[in-house]
Amino acid sequence: AQTVTQSQPEMSVQEAETVTLSCTYDTSENNYYLFWYKQPPSRQMILVIRQEAYKQQNATENRFSVNFQKAAKSFSLKISDSQLGDTAMYFCAFMKPWNQGNLIFGKGTKLSVKP
Amino acid sequence: KAGVTQTPRYLIKTRGQQVTLSCSPISGHRSVSWYQQTPGQGLQFLFEYFSETQRNKGNFPGRFSGRQFSNSRSEMNVSTLELGDSALYLCASQPQGLAGYNEQFFGPGTRLTVL
Repeated sequence: AQTVTQSQPEMSVQEAETVTLSCTYDTSENNYYLFWYKQPPSRQMILVIRQEAYKQQNATENRFSVNFQKAAKSFSLKISDSQLGDTAMYFCAFMKPWNQGNLIFGKGTKLSVKP
Repeated sequence: KAGVTQTPRYLIKTRGQQVTLSCSPISGHRSVSWYQQTPGQGLQFLFEYFSETQRNKGNFPGRFSGRQFSNSRSEMNVSTLELGDSALYLCASQPQGLAGYNEQFFGPGTRLTVL
């Protein structure tokens, strides 16, 4: 069975600075997808970024980038130039291909961006 | 396009009762997944429906059930409610393409409180 671990329950960062959220996972699959989701206090879950395991290149979306280390089963999220609107719960998630709709989530990291 | 909608947004029930939650996916999306979110267990996958058929199921007791209608709208039902069923129930919809992955779009959730 797959598991996803986020070892940082809470983190804080000053506005405009950079922060990295950690995620490790365990799987015997060779091909899979990894995601970071953001859940602001309003509760609507939003996809931040995704990574296909078969792609060597780390995914980037504007201020958000990942460091994907397949051998180490590590998938960290870097947020650059943090903004107050980045304050939210961040969830790392795993999904096998074709296993539609079955996301396996970590317990989340509560990120607070301070002015 | 309108996003995923869930009704009701808040619900209070007592132990032993049953409850039905509704989810309307984004227009054109044929797959609907349900997740339970609690502070202790985090986000856990309940089940996923596609074309009125349950394709995937998480590790929940039979008190949790669901269905999907021909218009892709989905309902989940919890019978004989227990205090531990208090949670935020999230619905997510996704298009069903031929790719191994389709992005899931989440609704705002239904907050269920069992007294």
